[in-house]
Amino acid sequence: AQKITQTQPGMFVQEKEAVTLDCTYDTSDQSYGLFWYKQPSSGEMIFLIYQGSYDEQNATEGRYSLNFQKARKSANLVISASQLGDSAMYFCAMRESGGFKTIFGAGTRLFVKA
Amino acid sequence: SQTIHQWPATLVQPVGSPLSLECTVEGTSNPNLYWYRQAAGRGLQLLFYSVGIGQISSEVPQNLSASRPQDRQFILSSKKLLLSDSGFYLCAWSRPDRGTSPLHFGNGTRLTVT
Repeated sequence: AQKITQTQPGMFVQEKEAVTLDCTYDTSDQSYGLFWYKQPSSGEMIFLIYQGSYDEQNATEGRYSLNFQKARKSANLVISASQLGDSAMYFCAMRESGGFKTIFGAGTRLFVKA
Repeated sequence: SQTIHQWPATLVQPVGSPLSLECTVEGTSNPNLYWYRQAAGRGLQLLFYSVGIGQISSEVPQNLSASRPQDRQFILSSKKLLLSDSGFYLCAWSRPDRGTSPLHFGNGTRLTVT
């Protein structure tokens, strides 16, 4: 069965520093997609970045990059040069290719300090 | 560009009353549609998804139901609300491919059952 684990309930980072949010996953499928979403206090869910299981290079989108280690089944999100506006909940998610169901981790709350 | 509208933004309903939440998508055809629920401070739980008009798959049946009367309209309903139905409800859409398309969420409905 699919499972997403985010072991950091809360993280603090100084403004302008980089931070890594951890995500491990479990699946028996060889083909799947991994996603990260941001949820500010307003509640909306914002898609940040996607990594396919067969992608050989780590995905990057602006200040976001995904550190994908397939053998370890980890898909950590790296945010570079943190900004105050990055303070939010961050969710790791996965969907098996050929499926419709996206499952989410419990989330990590990130606090950026000035 | 594609947009998703979800309403109402907040709702306070007494136990035993009916519920109807509506979601519409613009700018795309034949989207996959989803209803998720988020308990306070928790991850997202998939309730229903739909790949076409009249096609509904239920993940957590309980006392909720969903309908898709039109291609880009998705409705979440209940005949009699329970206290445990309180939460943040999010509608989402994705392209009708499998695995790689991210979810795009509405702004959510915060439901309080009293």
